[in-house]
Amino acid sequence: SQTIHQWPATLVQPVGSPLSLECTVEGTSNPNLYWYRQAAGRGLQLLFYSVGIGQISSEVPQNLSASRPQDRQFILSSKKLLLSDSGFYLCAWSIPQGVNSPLHFGNGTRLTVT
Amino acid sequence: AQSVSQHNHHVILSEAASLELGCNYSYGGTVNLFWYVQYPGQHLQLLLKYFSGDPLVKGIKGFEAEFIKSKFSFNLRKPSVQWSDTAEYFCAVTALNDMRFGAGTRLTVKP
Repeated sequence: SQTIHQWPATLVQPVGSPLSLECTVEGTSNPNLYWYRQAAGRGLQLLFYSVGIGQISSEVPQNLSASRPQDRQFILSSKKLLLSDSGFYLCAWSIPQGVNSPLHFGNGTRLTVT
Repeated sequence: AQSVSQHNHHVILSEAASLELGCNYSYGGTVNLFWYVQYPGQHLQLLLKYFSGDPLVKGIKGFEAEFIKSKFSFNLRKPSVQWSDTAEYFCAVTALNDMRFGAGTRLTVKP
């Protein structure tokens, strides 16, 4: 069966520090991978999605970036965190059948930038 | 770009009341539609989905949703809510490779 691992579960970082959140999927090949941010009252915002190694689509221009160094690994990064980066970050995957596949979510990372 | 609107931010109901949560999307092409639920302290879970066929789809726990193409809507319904339905509900729309979510509706069911 497929599983998705996301870590860390919680993170407190000072403003200006770097960020690296990692997400890995097991039990499937060439999944579509996604990073979402869930902010209070604002629902789920799509940040990045990837349909293959090295292929990243960015939905929001900001100081976050994503990388997919391996087929089932998706990393969310920042060189310098801002206070506004605080939120709940969710990694998700879907099978590569485009629109017909629901998302499967990781446990999420609660990021607090102080 | 496609967008999803959920009109109700917070709905408070008593047990046994009927529920309808609105969802509208703006995308003219072929879409697939989902409702996800997030119970307190838990992960997002798929509640139901519409791909094609019968526009009235049934999901888990007695929920259903109706796709009305002419209105670009996919409203979620349940005839009689329970206290355990207290959660946040997200409507989502997919087209091509991405999925867009609405802002979510928080449902509080009073016992």
